[in-house]
Amino acid sequence: DTGVSQNPRHKITKRGQNVTFRCDPISEHNRLYWYRQTLGQGPEFLTYFQNEAQLEKSRLLSDRFSAERPKGSFSTLEIQRTEQGDSAMYLCASSLRTGDGNQPQHFGDGTRLSIL
Amino acid sequence: AQSVTQLGSHVSVSEGALVLLRCNYSSSVPPYLFWYVQYPNQGLQLLLKYTTGATLVKGINGFEAEFKKSETSFHLTKPSAHMSDAAEYFCAVSPRGAQKLVFGQGTRLTINP
Repeated sequence: DTGVSQNPRHKITKRGQNVTFRCDPISEHNRLYWYRQTLGQGPEFLTYFQNEAQLEKSRLLSDRFSAERPKGSFSTLEIQRTEQGDSAMYLCASSLRTGDGNQPQHFGDGTRLSIL
Repeated sequence: AQSVTQLGSHVSVSEGALVLLRCNYSSSVPPYLFWYVQYPNQGLQLLLKYTTGATLVKGINGFEAEFKKSETSFHLTKPSAHMSDAAEYFCAVSPRGAQKLVFGQGTRLTINP
């Protein structure tokens, strides 16, 4: 079990630039989740995939945000035209699909985004 | 909508003392319940979970939590705090039938020598 891997760990960019983050889930996990965590707060759900299908998106996921999981393995989260308010830690998690949600999600170490 | 309230954004205890971190949820149907721990600049690590069955759940690092339906609570305890327990702790719920986790705002635990 190599765990959930996220790259890069840190990203500093200027306002208005586009950024892309990558998440590699635990290999046998078919569900993948993205969360955003701002300083001093708990993570907030953004979206999740079952295999390659994006099944739910939060209202937090504005049209500047797009997530993909093209082959049902790794996922990317892109933010276009970044704004100051996008500064946060972006966390990826994965889990197995069994039952109706009682399988725990395993988290990566996150990508910290700083907008200058 | 589900919500989670963690009472106390910051808890400080002495090494060897009891740790009690409080979590209450709002739901008419008991959700699945989780506690996660987060160390600085790291992701979240699962401590324990409650889905069904026994209401007292034991987790890693000596932590346990008790699900009390009548109080809509899922408080986290550890009989004797260790310096390595200093971290941020998050209570989370997953509504039955849903996939996402809803987190509380977190409690920062400080251990005094």
